[in-house]
Parts: sequence; structure tokens; C-alpha cells
Amino acid sequence: NAGVTQTPKFQVLKTGQSMTLQCAQDMNHEYMSWYRQDPGMGLRLIHYSVGAGITDQGEVPNGYNVSRSTTEDFPLRLLSAAPSQTSVYFCASSYLHPPLGIDSPLHFGNGTRLTVT
Amino acid sequence: AQSVTQLGSHVSVSEGALVLLRCNYSSSVPPYLFWYVQYPNQGLQLLLKYTTGATLVKGINGFEAEFKKSETSFHLTKPSAHMSDAAEYFCAVRLNYGGSQGNLIFGKGTKLSVKP
Repeated sequence: NAGVTQTPKFQVLKTGQSMTLQCAQDMNHEYMSWYRQDPGMGLRLIHYSVGAGITDQGEVPNGYNVSRSTTEDFPLRLLSAAPSQTSVYFCASSYLHPPLGIDSPLHFGNGTRLTVT
Repeated sequence: AQSVTQLGSHVSVSEGALVLLRCNYSSSVPPYLFWYVQYPNQGLQLLLKYTTGATLVKGINGFEAEFKKSETSFHLTKPSAHMSDAAEYFCAVRLNYGGSQGNLIFGKGTKLSVKP
């Protein structure tokens, strides 16, 4: 059981470049989300999805796009990278609906460390 | 809006001493509460959770936390610290109602150091 898989582990971009961070889960979770982690800021929610075809914005969505065409995959796109997007990005998933989703914790990937120069 | 406050961005204890990491939340209804641990260069791992029922919950690695509704707190404790407990700890509240159901709101984290 692979859990939540994120690729790549590391990435360096130049300002203005675009890229996609990949996230896949094999647990048939309805809920998937992207967080960014910055020192002293904790984790902040970028976008989330409660099922295939349904996405919504979190706390810090500007500069990012997401889509959810399948239950398993939830890619995060940086449209035009900026130095302020230098961060560690985490994808997380969980059950959402009863009965399994009532108290289901989030399962996290190992993160993507992104540097924008 | 729900929020989570972790008191102390850094906590240092001696090996064998009590670990106490503080977490307070604001919520108009009882939330689901979680503690996660993050070791260097890794993702977050669930330590324990409170949803309903017994207010004292036990987690992995000897940690436990008590939900106190009157104090809106969910402090994490461990009777005796071990060197391997050195990590960053995050308290989180999960929204269990409304349009943002499922989203986790995190505190800013507490980095625990353990001195030999």
C-alpha cells in the first residue's frame, strides 16, 4: 500500500516558469488537499477537493491551479512561479463521508521542496 | 472562523523529563482535534486524535492528550522524554460542518528539543 505519493521530491524553478506537482493516492479517499509549509507559519491550505470533478480554494490559492479528474490524482499547477512560492508542499488525503470519514485523519505525502530563483 | 494556537514555538526538555506541548482552539462547536509529528525532511505523521467519547486519548510513542472543552484546550503530554522525540509537533482542528468540511486548520507548530 503506497499511501500518498508526491513527485518530484525537489525542484528548482526560475521566476516565471510553470510546473506541475504530482500527487496520487491509492486508498480510494474522497478528500484530497494541498498545503504549503513555511518556517513559523505552520501548514496553510492551498486548494482542496471533496471528490472527482470538485475543487475549491483554501487559505492561500493565488498563483496555483488544481484539477481532480480521477479519485486517485490531484495535481497542483504553478502558473508562473514567483520567489514567494519557495516552500515545501504537502499533499494529503482522507476519507470524508460516513462511516469511514467521520473521524478519518489526513494521510500526508513526503513533500516536494520547491525553490524559485 | 476556527483557529488553533500553539503556545511556544520552541520547547526544550531534558531526557526523562515531562513533555507538555500546549494547544488551544477556537470553535463554535466541538471540533475534531489532532496532533501530528514531523521529523526532519519528512511528512506529517498522526500521533493521536479526538473526535468523540473519552476525553483522554492515547497515541503512539507514549504520547497522550486531553480534550478540555471548558478550556478549549488539547494539550499533548508524555511523562518521560526520549531523544527520539525531538521533532516538530502540530496541533490541528478539522472542520466537521459546513462547506469546508474536511479541511484541517493547523497551528504554527512547536519544535521540541531533547537534551541528553
